[in-house]
Amino acid sequence: GIQVEQSPPDLILQEGANSTLRCNFSDSVNNLQWFHQNPWGQLINLFYIPSGTKQNGRLSATTVATERYSLLYISSSQTTDSGVYFCAVGDSGGGADGLTFGKGTHLIIQP
Amino acid sequence: EAEVAQSPRYKITEKSQAVAFWCDPISGHATLYWYRQILGQGPELLVQFQDESVVDDSQLPKDRFSAERLKGVDSTLKIQPAELGDSAMYLCASDRDRADNEQFFGPGTRLTVL
Repeated sequence: GIQVEQSPPDLILQEGANSTLRCNFSDSVNNLQWFHQNPWGQLINLFYIPSGTKQNGRLSATTVATERYSLLYISSSQTTDSGVYFCAVGDSGGGADGLTFGKGTHLIIQP
Repeated sequence: EAEVAQSPRYKITEKSQAVAFWCDPISGHATLYWYRQILGQGPELLVQFQDESVVDDSQLPKDRFSAERLKGVDSTLKIQPAELGDSAMYLCASDRDRADNEQFFGPGTRLTVL
């Protein structure tokens, strides 16, 4: 099956700093999503981005499908940005559409 | 805003007991997924439904787990008997169809098996 690697696994930053999270995947995809998991375990949709670039406020994401990676940018970090960020992909081959998740990046924003 | 509903939010049970989780997807979403997330890891797919039909249950431990979506709307995931290793977060997700496949997740059911 498709492999998803996220880096870095852990990131500690001061409030106001910028950060870049990376997601590498091993095969072509028909779905790529970035999620933020809150302390209660809920997965919050950040971006649906199988290709191209999107921006939403202080967050933006870019997926280069031909090179099999995606980047999530967080600017002017706030303490509320803390949590685990997951990249998840859907394999474009076969009939099943379940997402394969990476292990996540644990982000801590210190005041 | 439409959301995926799950219940219960928390469940504590003893090993060898039966447990059941319920999920109601976003209205109009034909595809429903159950995932399991062990602490410190990413979610892993257990089963995918398209309407009332199972599309993929290759990762579902069928000796103890079962899932159904009888009318193609809400779904139930059952574990019988529960084992200590089943302690995890069980997440339900839905999407509209293959052409509109952004998945949306419910709040999850956190299961603790004692």
